[in-house]
Amino acid sequence: GQQLNQSPQSMFIQEGEDVSMNCTSSSIFNTWLWYKQEPGEGPVLLIALYKAGELTSNGRLTAQFGITRKDSFLNISASIPSDVGIYFCAGQLRSSNTGKLIFGQGTTLQVKP
Amino acid sequence: GAGVSQSPSNKVTEKGKDVELRCDPISGHTALYWYRQSLGQGLEFLIYFQGNSAPDKSGLPSDRFSAERTGGSVSTLTIQRTQQEDSAVYLCASSSDRVQPQHFGDGTRLSIL
Repeated sequence: GQQLNQSPQSMFIQEGEDVSMNCTSSSIFNTWLWYKQEPGEGPVLLIALYKAGELTSNGRLTAQFGITRKDSFLNISASIPSDVGIYFCAGQLRSSNTGKLIFGQGTTLQVKP
Repeated sequence: GAGVSQSPSNKVTEKGKDVELRCDPISGHTALYWYRQSLGQGLEFLIYFQGNSAPDKSGLPSDRFSAERTGGSVSTLTIQRTQQEDSAVYLCASSSDRVQPQHFGDGTRLSIL
């Protein structure tokens, strides 16, 4: 099936450091979404991107929709302990006539105070 | 509540039994999705409902899985003759239409003994 390659798989950083993660695919997407999931909870939407080249910020988070429509990145600046969790990219294929999302495998972020 | 509500939050059952999982979407959301998340993995699409249209069942892994949505609101995912490989977190999401971002419930953690 369709696949999103998300990297890195995990990160262990010091509080205050910046973080970057990305997703790539061989397929073209109409929408890119970034979610955060904490233990025992469902994914929570962080940022939604709808246009190629779009750069969107949400507080310390910044995400971009790649120009080729095949990739996206998420940056977190000045990390804090509550940033800990699993971050997922997800996209809606251009070829899809439903809204189903294809998910990356997730990036597990740990922040050392 | 204002979010997507799922029940039960946890379900433990014996192999071979049938289970029903329930999802209450956000009020007014016409699109409803079911996903499955195996341990340490990303989310895998199962089924999509949009209004009165025929559902997209392309993600259901076998004919033991079925889902319905009554009155365009509440949805039930049924797994018949459960197998151990069905153990996972089953997540429901809803959106105002297939283009808008999906918002997730906290899932049902299903364990098959």
